[in-house]
Amino acid sequence: NAGVTQTPKFQVLKTGQSMTLQCAQDMNHEYMSWYRQDPGMGLRLIHYSVGAGITDQGEVPNGYNVSRSTTEDFPLRLLSAAPSQTSVYFCASSYSIGGGTEAFFGQGTRLTVV
Amino acid sequence: QQPVQSPQAVILREGEDAVINCSSSKALYSVHWYRQKHGEAPIFLMILLKGGEQKGHDKISASFNEKKQQSSLYLTASQLSYSGTYFCGTVPMDSNYQLIWGAGTKLIIKP
Repeated sequence: NAGVTQTPKFQVLKTGQSMTLQCAQDMNHEYMSWYRQDPGMGLRLIHYSVGAGITDQGEVPNGYNVSRSTTEDFPLRLLSAAPSQTSVYFCASSYSIGGGTEAFFGQGTRLTVV
Repeated sequence: QQPVQSPQAVILREGEDAVINCSSSKALYSVHWYRQKHGEAPIFLMILLKGGEQKGHDKISASFNEKKQQSSLYLTASQLSYSGTYFCGTVPMDSNYQLIWGAGTKLIIKP
């Protein structure tokens, strides 16, 4: 099993550019989520999905879009990159919604916006 | 709403014990513990569901006091491999079952 695969691992964007961070899991998990991690702040939830076709906002959704057309894939789109979006982004999946099951994380995408 | 972890950082000698605490102001459904090494993804350690149960494997265990909304992670006879940042993730009863993460506790183990 590959688990959760994120691409790319590193990315540098110019302010105003758009891009898509890819996330795929092969564990048939219904629940997927995107987090950003900034120094000293832990993980903050951007968007999440409880199944194909269903997405919702987390704590810090502004500037990001998501879609879930299949169980396996959950891409995160940055619409117009800003320096404040410089961060490490993690995609995670779990068998069911957050409360009682383990979350599996991708290896992260380190994004720098200049 | 973010749980409070303490201490923020701790430095130990190999073989010493450590306790990391996680405290929430909200009634909790569960507490998760993860460890993250520098430049890597967080790795799951354990989940504690409400009920005050204690869990553990090898020399790492945890407890959950649901009356106080507190959880503690115990690392016994620490090994160099235990170094990293430990995060607790709490699931409040009123959160739509979303994980809310603490800021982390950095653990450094010296030989």
